[in-house]
Amino acid sequence: GQNIDQPTEMTATEGAIVQINCTYQTSGFNGLFWYQQHAGEAPTFLSYNVLDGLEEKGRFSSFLSRSKGYSYLLLKELQMKDSASYLCAVRATAMDTGRRALTFGSGTRLQVQP
Amino acid sequence: NAGVTQTPKFRVLKTGQSMTLLCAQDMNHEYMYWYRQDPGMGLRLIHYSVGEGTTAKGEVPDGYNVSRLKKQNFLLGLESAAPSQTSVYFCASSDGGRNTDTQYFGPGTRLTVL
Repeated sequence: GQNIDQPTEMTATEGAIVQINCTYQTSGFNGLFWYQQHAGEAPTFLSYNVLDGLEEKGRFSSFLSRSKGYSYLLLKELQMKDSASYLCAVRATAMDTGRRALTFGSGTRLQVQP
Repeated sequence: NAGVTQTPKFRVLKTGQSMTLLCAQDMNHEYMYWYRQDPGMGLRLIHYSVGEGTTAKGEVPDGYNVSRLKKQNFLLGLESAAPSQTSVYFCASSDGGRNTDTQYFGPGTRLTVL
């Protein structure tokens, strides 16, 4: 099985930078995704990492270290609309079946304050 | 291009009743998925399909059945609803391996079983 850990809640100030961490334990690692989910809405895709390093997309960046089983999502120049849950999801390939499956963490609820 | 759509958006059932949730996608995706989301537990995979006419069990399949008669549609059935099936249900689709195989989600169905 897989184990994915991320903080339950975080609070940050408008205009600041916040880093949301995700640690995982898995075999057959095949990629890590970050999704944003506003209350009462569907998760929307933010970023994808499969190789070590930083992927930057505007105000959002995501980092991956496969050897450490660690990723973070960095949000810069925080805006009030960034208040949402951020879901870390790890894709792995099962050694016996070859099936790829995506496992989600419980999510980090980010509150941006004025 | 509507992406992934789900019907209904809300439903209240009594214990023992049956219902079908419909998911439709217009992105010509091969893979489709049904998840449930409960507070503090993240998204859990119920069933998935890797192509028209195929279905497979996910992490929490008991009490649910699915069918994929057409490529663009994926149906989730509850034959005899139980209060433990009160949840938010999300459908997702992906291209099945081309590029990152990112999953895109529908708006969700909020189901309450009394």
